[in-house]
Amino acid sequence: DAGITQSPRYKITETGRQVTLMCHQTWSHSYMFWYRQDLGHGLRLIYYSAAADITDKGEVPDGYVVSRSKTENFPLTLESATRSQTSVYFCASSRTSGNNYNEQFFGPGTRLTVL
Amino acid sequence: AQSVTQLDSQVPVFEEAPVELRCNYSSSVSVYLFWYVQYPNQGLQLLLKYLSGSTLVKGINGFEAEFNKSQTSFHLRKPSVHISDTAEYFCAVFRMDSSYKLIFGSGTRLLVRP
Repeated sequence: DAGITQSPRYKITETGRQVTLMCHQTWSHSYMFWYRQDLGHGLRLIYYSAAADITDKGEVPDGYVVSRSKTENFPLTLESATRSQTSVYFCASSRTSGNNYNEQFFGPGTRLTVL
Repeated sequence: AQSVTQLDSQVPVFEEAPVELRCNYSSSVSVYLFWYVQYPNQGLQLLLKYLSGSTLVKGINGFEAEFNKSQTSFHLRKPSVHISDTAEYFCAVFRMDSSYKLIFGSGTRLLVRP
């Protein structure tokens, strides 16, 4: 009954450091997403992936890198963290594609603080 | 361009009172509409969705929402709130084209007081 998990749940880092946030889902969903949540902005899409080895930019991709070598994992890397990347990060997954909507299921979030 | 507007950043209400959380959207293509709830220190949970059919949609925990195409609105309502309804509520739209993306509003914090 794992569903979708994120690690770590909390992270404090310093400006300039590389940080990787992990996301793992057990449903074999094709689509995975990374969002950041900031006060006054709701959730904004950073990157998404339609399948293993297929990724695309969302609304706010600058400063982030993603990869998807396996269907179940979708790590998000901040190559050189900045204070403006302090946020709560949510991973989500959904089944297939097309105009037929498939519900996105969200992980519990990672609270990242960049000092 | 499309957007989702939640005009109220916070809505305080007394327990057992009715509540309405407002959501308006703009889009050049047809959309699906959603309300998500986020309890403190938790992820998002789907409250209800409108895909097609009846414009009045019922969700979990006694919430309902009505899709109004002419006013491009999807307001969330509950006739009698509980303390446990205190949470952040997000309206979202899904574009019915190839983007496969959810666009979220900025959220409304519902604060239920005893």
